Amino acid sequence: GQNIDQPTEMTATEGAIVQINCTYQTSGFNGLFWYQQHAGEAPTFLSYNVLDGLEEKGRFSSFLSRSKGYSYLLLKELQMKDSASYLCAVRSNNRLAFGKGNQVVVIP
Amino acid sequence: GAGVSQTPSNKVTEKGKYVELRCDPISGHTALYWYRQSLGQGPEFLIYFQGTGAADDSGLPNDRFFAVRPEGSVSTLKIQRTERGDSAVYLCASSTSGTDTQYFGPGTRLTVL
Repeated sequence: GQNIDQPTEMTATEGAIVQINCTYQTSGFNGLFWYQQHAGEAPTFLSYNVLDGLEEKGRFSSFLSRSKGYSYLLLKELQMKDSASYLCAVRSNNRLAFGKGNQVVVIP
Repeated sequence: GAGVSQTPSNKVTEKGKYVELRCDPISGHTALYWYRQSLGQGPEFLIYFQGTGAADDSGLPNDRFFAVRPEGSVSTLKIQRTERGDSAVYLCASSTSGTDTQYFGPGTRLTVL
């Protein structure tokens, strides 16, 4: 079975840094994905980790520890447009198992 | 290039009716996925196609749900005898293969009255 846990909501100030955590327990593992989803829109791909360590991609970075079943997404220099839900998903046997998503609200 | 497209964007139906939801994947993507997302939840896997065949349909909740992809491109998700609990956003995603990044369409919001 799959169990993906994420905190539900956080508020942060424009220009700040925010870290979104994800813990998982899965029967198989073939990579961890982060998606951004604005209200009423499709999830859009942000980052992918399959090996332990940090992947940096502009203002977004993602970290993975397979032994701990843990990942985080780091958002730097927050902008108002970053207000969205951030979904952590584990790939196993070609399917993605998603957490509930973490709603980030950016305030001026 | 064009992304994944889904039609209709919204579908309202009555309990007991039959509905079809369509997905056009990114051109050249051999893998296609259907997910269902309820309010406040992450997407939940339904079915995965590799080419024309359903490689994994273990996420379909019951036999009222069926999906086809006859030519290995467009897919249709079919729901018979709809129930109020089927109300959700149905998302389609595609990837170049089963091991690559999945790209999502805008979804179809299904409301069963």
